[in-house]
Amino acid sequence: DVKVTQSSRYLVKRTGEKVFLECVQDMDHENMFWYRQDPGLGLRLIYFSYDVKMKEKGDIPEGYSVSREKKERFSLILESASTNQTSMYLCASSLTAPNTEAFFGQGTRLTVV
Amino acid sequence: AQSVTQLGSHVSVSEGALVLLRCNYSSSVPPYLFWYVQYPNQGLQLLLKYTSAATLVKGINGFEAEFKKSETSFHLTKPSAHMSDAAEYFCAVSGSSNTGKLIFGQGTTLQVKP
Repeated sequence: DVKVTQSSRYLVKRTGEKVFLECVQDMDHENMFWYRQDPGLGLRLIYFSYDVKMKEKGDIPEGYSVSREKKERFSLILESASTNQTSMYLCASSLTAPNTEAFFGQGTRLTVV
Repeated sequence: AQSVTQLGSHVSVSEGALVLLRCNYSSSVPPYLFWYVQYPNQGLQLLLKYTSAATLVKGINGFEAEFKKSETSFHLTKPSAHMSDAAEYFCAVSGSSNTGKLIFGQGTTLQVKP
């Protein structure tokens, strides 16, 4: 089975802190994603990576950056956390193939106080 | 541009009743469509996906969805709801056919009453 593992299930951080959310997948997938989930808004794509050191902005990249130094690992960085970044963050990965689906991690619930 | 609309943010059914969760899509190209389920405090799990091989798609846990091009719909159904079906359900369209990048609907929370 594909496994996508997010390093933390719950995080509480202070306003202004630099926050790292880590994600690792074990199936050699080319593509990795960070989504943000908020009630009534569904999932919104923050960033997408289709190869090591390659990234593409999603729909809501402001206030976030990403790093992909190794194929299996994709990190989301909040440079200076703010209360409006309190949310559920979901990492996903997928193969590059026709009609491929994405596989999701368990999510990290981040609270910024 | 592609988009997905889920009609009804909350659906409540009695145990044993039909489940119908609605999804309409907008796409300028033949769409790749998916339904995911999210149980409380968990990530998303794929229920089923439309591959164009058949308009009626069967998924896990007794769910199925029918692709109707004329109605631009991909509604999710289950003949008889179980308590364990209580979860949030997301319809999604592929933003890029080969990469798994998905555009999600707003989600529908399914409540199952005893």
